[in-house]
Amino acid sequence: KQEVTQIPAALSVPEGENLVLNCSFTDSAIYNLQWFRQDPGKGLTSLLLIQSSQREQTSGRLNASLDKSSGRSTLYIAASQPGDSATYLCAVPFSGGYNKLIFGAGTRLAVHP
Amino acid sequence: EPEVTQTPSHQVTQMGQEVILRCVPISNHLYFYWYRQILGQKVEFLVSFYNNEISEKSEIFDDQFSVERPDGSNFTLKIRSTKLEDSAMYFCASSEKTGALYGYTFGSGTRLTVV
Repeated sequence: KQEVTQIPAALSVPEGENLVLNCSFTDSAIYNLQWFRQDPGKGLTSLLLIQSSQREQTSGRLNASLDKSSGRSTLYIAASQPGDSATYLCAVPFSGGYNKLIFGAGTRLAVHP
Repeated sequence: EPEVTQTPSHQVTQMGQEVILRCVPISNHLYFYWYRQILGQKVEFLVSFYNNEISEKSEIFDDQFSVERPDGSNFTLKIRSTKLEDSAMYFCASSEKTGALYGYTFGSGTRLTVV
């Protein structure tokens, strides 16, 4: 059974810091891994989708890496800004199921000026 | 950029009442999903829908829940007799092809409050 864990649960940093959010999953037989951003009381915004054949994906100040064999992904945020404050979720497809995502509990990030 | 649109953004209903949550998926997407997030908990899968039928559902998705694609653009989630524990944020999602391979686009959610 696929389980997704995110560490840390919460993070508070000063503006300008580079930071790393961690995601681990128990079953390495995944097709891809997706990172989302969730603002308080809002929907899920897709940030990056990494296919199982890829090692990393980049979008602006965001870089996500994937190590399937160790069951880990990291989301790197460069030069953090107050506008980055949100909850970041990672999700992987359910083992043996094509259309069901398993989410982690998220990392709640606060970037203060 | 194409969006998944959900209405209403917030709905308050009395326990035992029926509610219908509405979603307009991205127009060329073929797979549709509902997820929910109880306050303070993980986002969890409810149901996936393809080719006008349910392809997969979770144990949460019992007989009180149903989904429908009444026309070529809308996708709805109906809860027949709401309970207090149905209070949650409900997210609709869609994918062009199987989401496990191509990723998902989520809507902004409907916050359902059952009183």
